[in-house]
Amino acid sequence: GENVEQHPSTLSVQEGDSAVIKCTYSDSASNYFPWYKQELGKGPQLIIDIRSNVGEKKDQRIAVTLNKTAKHFSLHITETQPEDSAVYFCAASEGWGKLQFGAGTQVVVTP
Amino acid sequence: SAVISQKPSRDICQRGTSLTIQCQVDSQVTMMFWYRQQPGQSLTLIATANQGSEATYESGFVIDKFPISRPNLTFSTLTVSNMSPEDSSIYLCSVPGLSYGYTFGSGTRLTVV
Repeated sequence: GENVEQHPSTLSVQEGDSAVIKCTYSDSASNYFPWYKQELGKGPQLIIDIRSNVGEKKDQRIAVTLNKTAKHFSLHITETQPEDSAVYFCAASEGWGKLQFGAGTQVVVTP
Repeated sequence: SAVISQKPSRDICQRGTSLTIQCQVDSQVTMMFWYRQQPGQSLTLIATANQGSEATYESGFVIDKFPISRPNLTFSTLTVSNMSPEDSSIYLCSVPGLSYGYTFGSGTRLTVV
């Protein structure tokens, strides 16, 4: 089955700096890669996703890149703000199949 | 995307008892998913619940421990049976959205004492 590895486990950044979280996956059949943000006491919220037919997707300060050959994808947050502090999870699936999650990254943005 | 209402939001339960968690969706969905998130950990799929059929359980999860009901296309329940402290987790339901996206409920924070 699919195995998703996520790094780093914790990430501290100064407000205004960029944050990058990286994930690798094992199943070449996976074609859907979402990123979720989970704030304390809340359920995961989808913030951006990418399908295997594109290499990059942006949404304001958030971007995701995908390298199918290397089987890795990354989340980029620019101009970080304190409200970006949360746990971020990457995931992978084949179409509507089971979502396999990474272990999560605790992001702390210090003012 | 769908709006999910999950109840209860939290509970503290005695070991050996059972808790039923409810998940209500504001639109009809074929598939509903139940996840467990142990303290400080990632999300693990417990089972997939389709209306009109038995739930499909992932490896390590069994129906006797986590019975699931799916009476219609907008509602599902997950019961955590004969609880032990190891069952203390956040339990989340999830439904498919648009273009492969999945929406999650706010979760049920369960503490077993």
